[in-house]
Amino acid sequence: ILNVEQSPQSLHVQEGDSTNFTCSFPSSNFYALHWYRWETAKSPEALFVMTLNGDEKKKGRISATLNTKEGYSYLYIKGSQPEDSATYLCAWHNAGGTSYGKLTFGQGTILTVHP
Amino acid sequence: DGGITQSPKYLFRKEGQNVTLSCEQNLNHDAMYWYRQDPGQGLRLIYYSQIVNDFQKGDIAEGYSVSREKKESFPLTVTSAQKNPTAFYLCATTGGRETQYFGPGTRLLVL
Repeated sequence: ILNVEQSPQSLHVQEGDSTNFTCSFPSSNFYALHWYRWETAKSPEALFVMTLNGDEKKKGRISATLNTKEGYSYLYIKGSQPEDSATYLCAWHNAGGTSYGKLTFGQGTILTVHP
Repeated sequence: DGGITQSPKYLFRKEGQNVTLSCEQNLNHDAMYWYRQDPGQGLRLIYYSQIVNDFQKGDIAEGYSVSREKKESFPLTVTSAQKNPTAFYLCATTGGRETQYFGPGTRLLVL
């Protein structure tokens, strides 16, 4: 099993703070990197799918960058709000043969935004 | 509504019992997946299926079995051989090498 690591494991911030977390993944056989947000009592929801080195994606106050050569992605949240509280998962999607759509997930970063 | 449904929401298993978790989708997606989540760990892949009547083991398949007789359905059986079944189980689908869409999950508890 190839490792996908996320840091930090958990994060507490105040409303209005900006924050970021890291996902590291194997740089070989890269196909795509996925970010998901998982709120309590809900299903994980896709945020971004990133495929190209240097890619940057943005969705409202959330953005992500990708470095496939060194195997990391950053997720940024600008001006955190309590509704951003969730577990943020990244998943590495390798390019190998029979691994059609097979993702390897990190353990997640639990974000808590305090009002 | 299009989507993925999982049932039941909570499931209790007695010692030595096999139990089956249901996953149904009406998104017309080819591929379906079963993941397990334990506290402090990421989602771990149990089994996946790319097409009807075909499925492959994931990273932690021991003690589990699946079937894929219909495109819409991918039930997971937790057998008595799975010694630590207490976990949260998520089903997902994808129409290609893209985003996976998740169901609401089933929490399995051992009596």
